[in-house]
Amino acid sequence: DVKVTQSSRYLVKRTGEKVFLECVQDMDHENMFWYRQDPGLGLRLIYFSYDVKMKEKGDIPEGYSVSREKKERFSLILESASTNQTSMYLCASSLAGTGEETQYFGPGTRLLVL
Amino acid sequence: GQQVMQIPQYQHVQEGEDFTTYCNSSTTLSNIQWYKQRPGGHPVFLIQLVKSGEVKKQKRLTFQFGEAKKNSSLHITATQTTDVGTYFCAGDFGNEKLTFGTGTRLTIIP
Repeated sequence: DVKVTQSSRYLVKRTGEKVFLECVQDMDHENMFWYRQDPGLGLRLIYFSYDVKMKEKGDIPEGYSVSREKKERFSLILESASTNQTSMYLCASSLAGTGEETQYFGPGTRLLVL
Repeated sequence: GQQVMQIPQYQHVQEGEDFTTYCNSSTTLSNIQWYKQRPGGHPVFLIQLVKSGEVKKQKRLTFQFGEAKKNSSLHITATQTTDVGTYFCAGDFGNEKLTFGTGTRLTIIP
């Protein structure tokens, strides 16, 4: 079974702090994704990565950056957290180039920015 | 940009009633996927539809993909309490990423 893990289930941070969210997958997937989920807005793509050191902006990249130094790990960075970044953050991974890019999700990190 | 619209946002049904959620895209999709998120959980893949007009069934769940590959639906027959959750469609426009609908949250009245 594919396993996607996220470093924290819950986080509380203060405005202006730098925040790191870590995601690790164990199935050698090429693609990795970061979403945020907010009530009524569904899942919105922040950033995704096709391969190590490769990244592309999603629909809402402002205020975020990412890092992918190893294939299994994809990090989301909030350079200076703000209250409007309070949300549920979901990481996902998928195989590339198969035509069946099913995404496997981690359990999510619920971030509260005070 | 590429968007996938999903309705309704909420649906409350009596246990045993049917449920349907609909997704629409303004442009042709390569394929469409459906996910279910239980309360407190994360989205879990249900099924993928690829062919025009495709219909797939999983027990009481029926998934359809429109002839123009721009719309899709999920129908649940005779809902049970285990069906509670949010159902998302996710459109693949052929660029290795998915565009998720806003989801339909299903609650069951026992």
